[in-house]
Amino acid sequence: EIVLTQSPGTLSLSPGERATLSCRASQSVGGSYLAWYQQKPGQAPRLLIYGASNRATGIPDRFSASESGTDFTLTISRLEAEDFAVYYCLRYGGSPTFGGGTKVEIK
Amino acid sequence: QIQLQQSGPGLVKPSQTLSLTCAISGDTVSSNSAAWNWIRQSPSRGLEWLGRTYYRSKWYTDYAVSISSRITIYPDTSKNQFSLQLNSVTPDDTAMYYCARDRWLSHFDLWGRGTLVTVSS
Repeated sequence: EIVLTQSPGTLSLSPGERATLSCRASQSVGGSYLAWYQQKPGQAPRLLIYGASNRATGIPDRFSASESGTDFTLTISRLEAEDFAVYYCLRYGGSPTFGGGTKVEIK
Repeated sequence: QIQLQQSGPGLVKPSQTLSLTCAISGDTVSSNSAAWNWIRQSPSRGLEWLGRTYYRSKWYTDYAVSISSRITIYPDTSKNQFSLQLNSVTPDDTAMYYCARDRWLSHFDLWGRGTLVTVSS
Protein backbone atom coordinates (compact mmCIF):
# COMPACT_ATOMS: atom_id res chain seq x y z
CA GLU A 1 0.00 0.00 0.00
CA ILE A 2 1.32 3.42 -0.98
CA VAL A 3 1.54 5.91 1.87
CA LEU A 4 1.49 9.63 1.13
CA THR A 5 3.23 11.91 3.65
CA GLN A 6 2.44 15.60 3.46
CA SER A 7 4.61 18.31 4.94
CA PRO A 8 4.58 20.60 6.68
CA GLY A 9 1.52 19.92 8.78
CA THR A 10 0.83 23.62 9.04
CA LEU A 11 2.14 26.52 7.00
CA SER A 12 1.75 30.01 8.45
CA LEU A 13 2.01 32.67 5.76
CA SER A 14 0.76 36.13 4.87
CA PRO A 15 -1.35 37.06 1.85
CA GLY A 16 0.87 37.66 -1.16
CA GLU A 17 3.50 35.17 -0.02
CA ARG A 18 4.44 31.96 -1.84
CA ALA A 19 3.32 28.63 -0.44
CA THR A 20 5.15 25.39 -1.15
CA LEU A 21 3.48 22.15 -0.06
CA SER A 22 5.04 18.71 -0.25
CA CYS A 23 3.59 15.23 -0.74
CA ARG A 24 6.01 12.30 -0.62
CA ALA A 25 4.98 8.80 -1.71
CA SER A 26 6.39 5.69 -0.04
CA GLN A 27 6.89 4.12 -3.47
CA SER A 28 6.43 4.98 -7.11
CA VAL A 29 2.96 6.33 -7.82
CA GLY A 30 3.23 5.31 -11.45
CA GLY A 31 1.75 7.23 -14.36
CA SER A 32 1.60 10.56 -12.48
CA TYR A 33 -1.62 9.41 -10.81
CA LEU A 34 -1.57 12.17 -8.26
CA ALA A 35 -4.09 14.92 -7.55
CA TRP A 36 -4.30 17.87 -5.19
CA TYR A 37 -7.42 19.09 -3.40
CA GLN A 38 -8.33 22.14 -1.39
CA GLN A 39 -10.80 21.87 1.48
CA LYS A 40 -12.42 24.66 3.42
CA PRO A 41 -14.41 24.19 6.64
CA GLY A 42 -17.83 22.67 6.05
CA GLN A 43 -17.10 21.91 2.40
CA ALA A 44 -16.16 18.88 0.38
CA PRO A 45 -12.67 18.78 -1.12
CA ARG A 46 -12.26 20.72 -4.35
CA LEU A 47 -10.09 19.38 -7.15
CA LEU A 48 -7.13 21.65 -8.00
CA ILE A 49 -4.63 19.48 -9.85
CA TYR A 50 -4.72 16.08 -11.54
CA GLY A 51 -2.11 14.04 -13.39
CA ALA A 52 0.48 15.55 -11.02
CA SER A 53 0.59 18.91 -12.81
CA ASN A 54 -2.63 19.63 -14.72
CA ARG A 55 -4.89 22.36 -13.37
CA ALA A 56 -8.55 21.45 -13.14
CA THR A 57 -11.16 23.57 -14.87
CA GLY A 58 -11.51 27.02 -13.34
CA ILE A 59 -8.42 26.81 -11.13
CA PRO A 60 -6.37 30.03 -11.25
CA ASP A 61 -2.85 29.88 -12.61
CA ARG A 62 -1.33 30.90 -9.28
CA PHE A 63 -1.73 27.20 -8.46
CA SER A 64 0.92 24.96 -10.00
CA ALA A 65 2.29 21.52 -9.26
CA SER A 66 5.21 19.34 -10.18
CA GLU A 67 6.66 15.89 -9.56
CA SER A 68 10.13 14.50 -9.14
CA GLY A 69 10.18 10.77 -8.65
CA THR A 70 8.17 10.09 -5.53
CA ASP A 71 8.12 13.76 -4.46
CA PHE A 72 5.20 15.97 -5.46
CA THR A 73 4.92 19.70 -4.87
CA LEU A 74 1.98 22.11 -4.93
CA THR A 75 2.92 25.77 -5.21
CA ILE A 76 0.66 28.76 -4.70
CA SER A 77 2.59 31.66 -6.16
CA ARG A 78 0.88 34.52 -4.29
CA LEU A 79 -1.55 33.64 -1.56
CA GLU A 80 -4.92 35.29 -1.67
CA ALA A 81 -7.41 35.41 1.18
CA GLU A 82 -9.49 32.55 -0.25
CA ASP A 83 -6.46 30.23 -0.45
CA PHE A 84 -6.17 29.72 3.31
CA ALA A 85 -7.46 26.18 3.69
CA VAL A 86 -6.33 22.57 4.06
CA TYR A 87 -4.69 20.87 1.09
CA TYR A 88 -4.61 17.14 0.42
CA CYS A 89 -2.82 15.00 -2.11
CA LEU A 90 -4.44 11.88 -3.53
CA ARG A 91 -2.92 8.93 -5.28
CA TYR A 92 -5.57 7.43 -7.54
CA GLY A 93 -5.79 4.33 -9.63
CA GLY A 94 -6.11 1.00 -7.88
CA SER A 95 -6.95 1.65 -4.25
CA PRO A 96 -6.96 5.46 -3.81
CA THR A 97 -5.00 6.92 -0.91
CA PHE A 98 -5.00 10.41 0.57
CA GLY A 99 -2.22 12.25 2.33
CA GLY A 100 -2.75 13.62 5.82
CA GLY A 101 -3.10 17.23 4.69
CA THR A 102 -1.32 20.58 5.06
CA LYS A 103 -3.13 23.48 6.65
CA VAL A 104 -2.26 26.87 5.19
CA GLU A 105 -3.12 29.46 7.80
CA ILE A 106 -2.86 33.21 8.00
CA LYS A 107 0.24 34.39 9.83
CA GLN B 1 -25.40 20.84 -13.98
CA ILE B 2 -24.02 17.60 -12.63
CA GLN B 3 -24.79 17.08 -8.96
CA LEU B 4 -24.64 14.39 -6.31
CA GLN B 5 -27.31 14.57 -3.61
CA GLN B 6 -26.71 12.55 -0.48
CA SER B 7 -29.35 11.27 1.91
CA GLY B 8 -29.50 9.04 4.95
CA PRO B 9 -29.63 9.13 8.75
CA GLY B 10 -27.11 11.10 10.74
CA LEU B 11 -27.26 8.85 13.79
CA VAL B 12 -26.72 5.09 13.89
CA LYS B 13 -26.55 2.84 16.94
CA PRO B 14 -23.49 0.64 17.54
CA SER B 15 -23.67 -2.81 15.91
CA GLN B 16 -26.33 -1.62 13.45
CA THR B 17 -26.03 -0.88 9.71
CA LEU B 18 -25.15 2.52 8.29
CA SER B 19 -27.03 3.18 5.04
CA LEU B 20 -26.51 6.19 2.76
CA THR B 21 -27.69 6.98 -0.76
CA CYS B 22 -26.25 9.28 -3.42
CA ALA B 23 -28.64 10.46 -6.12
CA ILE B 24 -27.05 11.47 -9.42
CA SER B 25 -28.28 14.28 -11.66
CA GLY B 26 -26.65 15.20 -14.94
CA ASP B 27 -24.91 11.84 -15.37
CA THR B 28 -25.93 8.21 -15.20
CA VAL B 29 -24.89 5.56 -12.69
CA SER B 30 -24.45 3.11 -15.59
CA SER B 31 -22.07 5.40 -17.48
CA ASN B 32 -19.24 3.48 -19.16
CA SER B 33 -16.70 6.13 -18.18
CA ALA B 34 -17.59 6.97 -14.58
CA ALA B 35 -17.16 5.23 -11.26
CA TRP B 36 -19.14 6.03 -8.15
CA ASN B 37 -17.30 6.19 -4.88
CA TRP B 38 -17.80 6.53 -1.15
CA ILE B 39 -15.18 8.36 0.91
CA ARG B 40 -15.23 9.26 4.58
CA GLN B 41 -13.36 11.78 6.71
CA SER B 42 -12.74 11.86 10.42
CA PRO B 43 -10.15 13.56 12.65
CA SER B 44 -8.61 10.20 13.53
CA ARG B 45 -8.51 8.64 10.05
CA GLY B 46 -8.34 11.66 7.76
CA LEU B 47 -9.76 11.12 4.27
CA GLU B 48 -10.36 7.43 3.61
CA TRP B 49 -11.59 5.89 0.38
CA LEU B 50 -14.12 3.14 1.11
CA GLY B 51 -15.05 1.72 -2.26
CA ARG B 52 -16.72 2.20 -5.63
CA THR B 53 -19.11 0.71 -8.12
CA TYR B 54 -18.95 1.09 -11.89
CA TYR B 55 -20.34 -0.33 -15.10
CA ARG B 56 -18.17 -1.60 -17.93
CA SER B 57 -20.50 -3.93 -19.82
CA LYS B 58 -21.21 -5.44 -16.41
CA TRP B 59 -21.16 -4.15 -12.83
CA TYR B 60 -17.98 -4.08 -10.77
CA THR B 61 -17.28 -3.13 -7.18
CA ASP B 62 -13.97 -2.46 -5.43
CA TYR B 63 -13.57 -2.04 -1.69
CA ALA B 64 -10.79 -0.86 0.59
CA VAL B 65 -9.18 -3.91 2.13
CA SER B 66 -9.51 -2.47 5.64
CA ILE B 67 -13.29 -2.42 5.44
CA SER B 68 -14.15 -5.04 2.82
CA SER B 69 -15.76 -7.47 5.27
CA ARG B 70 -18.41 -4.94 6.35
CA ILE B 71 -19.20 -2.85 3.28
CA THR B 72 -21.54 -3.09 0.31
CA ILE B 73 -21.84 -0.49 -2.44
CA TYR B 74 -24.52 -1.03 -5.07
CA PRO B 75 -26.23 0.86 -7.87
CA ASP B 76 -29.92 1.46 -8.44
CA THR B 77 -30.36 2.14 -12.14
CA SER B 78 -34.11 2.76 -11.86
CA LYS B 79 -33.46 5.72 -9.55
CA ASN B 80 -30.05 6.71 -10.99
CA GLN B 81 -28.35 6.48 -7.63
CA PHE B 82 -25.92 4.37 -5.65
CA SER B 83 -25.82 3.37 -2.03
CA LEU B 84 -23.49 2.47 0.81
CA GLN B 85 -24.15 -0.07 3.52
CA LEU B 86 -21.69 -0.49 6.36
CA ASN B 87 -22.47 -3.28 8.81
CA SER B 88 -21.66 -3.71 12.48
CA VAL B 89 -20.71 -0.09 13.02
CA THR B 90 -18.79 1.14 16.06
CA PRO B 91 -18.07 4.67 17.30
CA ASP B 92 -14.87 4.50 15.20
CA ASP B 93 -17.11 4.71 12.10
CA THR B 94 -18.27 8.18 13.11
CA ALA B 95 -17.27 10.43 10.22
CA MET B 96 -18.37 12.72 7.43
CA TYR B 97 -19.31 10.49 4.52
CA TYR B 98 -18.99 11.73 0.94
CA CYS B 99 -20.06 10.27 -2.35
CA ALA B 100 -17.89 11.17 -5.33
CA ARG B 101 -17.49 10.49 -9.03
CA ASP B 102 -14.34 9.64 -10.87
CA ARG B 103 -13.83 9.30 -14.61
CA TRP B 104 -11.99 6.25 -15.90
CA LEU B 105 -10.93 5.19 -12.37
CA SER B 106 -9.06 8.47 -12.07
CA HIS B 107 -9.22 11.44 -9.71
CA PHE B 108 -12.47 12.43 -7.97
CA ASP B 109 -13.89 15.31 -9.95
CA LEU B 110 -17.33 15.66 -8.41
CA TRP B 111 -18.32 15.37 -4.75
CA GLY B 112 -21.52 15.31 -2.76
CA ARG B 113 -21.88 17.77 0.09
CA GLY B 114 -21.29 15.14 2.73
CA THR B 115 -23.37 13.51 5.47
CA LEU B 116 -22.17 13.55 9.06
CA VAL B 117 -22.86 10.14 10.57
CA THR B 118 -22.49 9.65 14.30
CA VAL B 119 -22.41 6.16 15.78
CA SER B 120 -23.78 6.36 19.30
CA SER B 121 -26.35 4.70 21.49
